[in-house]
Amino acid sequence: QVQLVESGGGVVQPGRSLTLSCAASEFSFSSYAMFWVRQAPGKGLEWVAFISFDGSEKFYADSVKGRFSISRDNSKNTLYLQMRSLSFEDTAVYYCGRSTDWGQGTLVTVSS
Amino acid sequence: QAVVTQEPSLTVSPGGTVTLTCASSTGTVTSGHYPYWFQQKPGQAPRTLIYDTNKKHSWAPARFSASLLGGKAALTLSGAQPEDEADYYCFLSYSGEWVFGGGTKLTVL
Repeated sequence: QVQLVESGGGVVQPGRSLTLSCAASEFSFSSYAMFWVRQAPGKGLEWVAFISFDGSEKFYADSVKGRFSISRDNSKNTLYLQMRSLSFEDTAVYYCGRSTDWGQGTLVTVSS
Repeated sequence: QAVVTQEPSLTVSPGGTVTLTCASSTGTVTSGHYPYWFQQKPGQAPRTLIYDTNKKHSWAPARFSASLLGGKAALTLSGAQPEDEADYYCFLSYSGEWVFGGGTKLTVL
C-alpha cells in the first residue's frame, strides 16, 4: 500500500524558514510527479507546488512563488518543501501526494 | 491564475442522485485539464476519488462517476449513502500549474 508520510511541521515565527519532508514508500517514487497542497484552518484545499518525476520541472502557486522551493531526492524516496519568509497566511496543514494518493499532513503554524 | 468554481453546497436525499460541477474561468474544461475530484471528511486528509477526468481510484464506490458536461467537469453520485456526506473538491491542471475549486459541501439528508 502506498505510503506518504510528511514531517517537519511545527510552530515558527513570522519571517522564519522551515523545511517539510515527505517520505514515500511502496511505489516507484522516481516515476511519479509529486505535489504539495495545503489547507488553512477551516478553509479549502490550496495547491502549493508541483515537481515532475525527475525534478526538471517545478511550478508554484502565486501565493508562494519566490518564497517556497520544491525538490526531491529520488535516491531517498523523499520530497521536500523549503519554505522561507513565512507569514501568518502560511499557517495550514501541508499534504504531499502523487496524483492518486496523499499523506496525512503536517501542521505548520506561523505565530509570534 | 485561473479561478475554478464549484457549487458551495448541495443536498441529496439518501438513495438519490446529485451532480457536482466544476467550471474554469478560462473557458471550457477539457480532458487537457486532467480533472480530479477529491473527497474530504471532517478531520481527515483528502482522498483522490477521480483522476484524469473519469478514472476512479480503487477505493471509490461504483455509485460515483465523472465526466465532462456542458463545458464543465462533473461528478455524479447515484444512490447517495450517508457516508457520502463530505466536502468534494475539483482540481484542474493549467499546463503545470494547478488550481482547486472552492469545494462543495454535500449533505445527505
